[in-house]
Amino acid sequence: DAKTTQPPSMDCAEGRAANLPCNHSTISGNEYVYWYRQIHSQGPQYIIHGLKNNETNEMASLIITEDRKSSTLILPHATLRDTAVYYCIVRPRNSGGSNYKLTFGKGTLLTVNP
Amino acid sequence: EAGVAQSPRYKIIEKRQSVAFWCNPISGHATLYWYQQILGQGPKLLIQFQNNGVVDDSQLPKDRFSAERLKGVDSTLKIQPAKLEDSAVYLCASSLVGTQGTEAFFGQGTRLTVV
Repeated sequence: DAKTTQPPSMDCAEGRAANLPCNHSTISGNEYVYWYRQIHSQGPQYIIHGLKNNETNEMASLIITEDRKSSTLILPHATLRDTAVYYCIVRPRNSGGSNYKLTFGKGTLLTVNP
Repeated sequence: EAGVAQSPRYKIIEKRQSVAFWCNPISGHATLYWYQQILGQGPKLLIQFQNNGVVDDSQLPKDRFSAERLKGVDSTLKIQPAKLEDSAVYLCASSLVGTQGTEAFFGQGTRLTVV
């Protein structure tokens, strides 16, 4: 079972920031927070991941609370092409072994409106 | 770099027939995953390989599903016999092993329709 909770859907106006929340209150110290998104009819696409510090890359920013029980994915200037299902996933730090799987929940459907 | 390749892209079969899907992961990726995604749901892991060994197949319906990864590279997933509830998108993903840069890369998937 997924260890995260996300709202089922959100709307955002084109050009505005999209802030997608995720609760992961049972996260352990050796687990990362990963974000993937899935555009219609495509496979999931990696966005970003973090352990405890905030992270930023060319796609998004990830803000993790100090207690690590929740996080927010920020798309700074959403475009119509950002319309997708966004998945928040917790995953152990060390790869290999059966616990290094990506367990997807239902995610958040973000709709970017013109 | 080339991504994860899957074929076929679409497949329609009748129930009780058999079907096979093929996956070619990114070169050098030791870990390979097969996921099943039913419409409206998130992907569900069916099986995870590391090189050519099975790491996790706890959610694979072994009475009808089988998978292999020969020589630790390409992989095939087979369903025999298919049921109506097997209609789904089957996704293959691969990743490196380690503690850095191990995000999984997904193929476009094979959409299976069982009629």
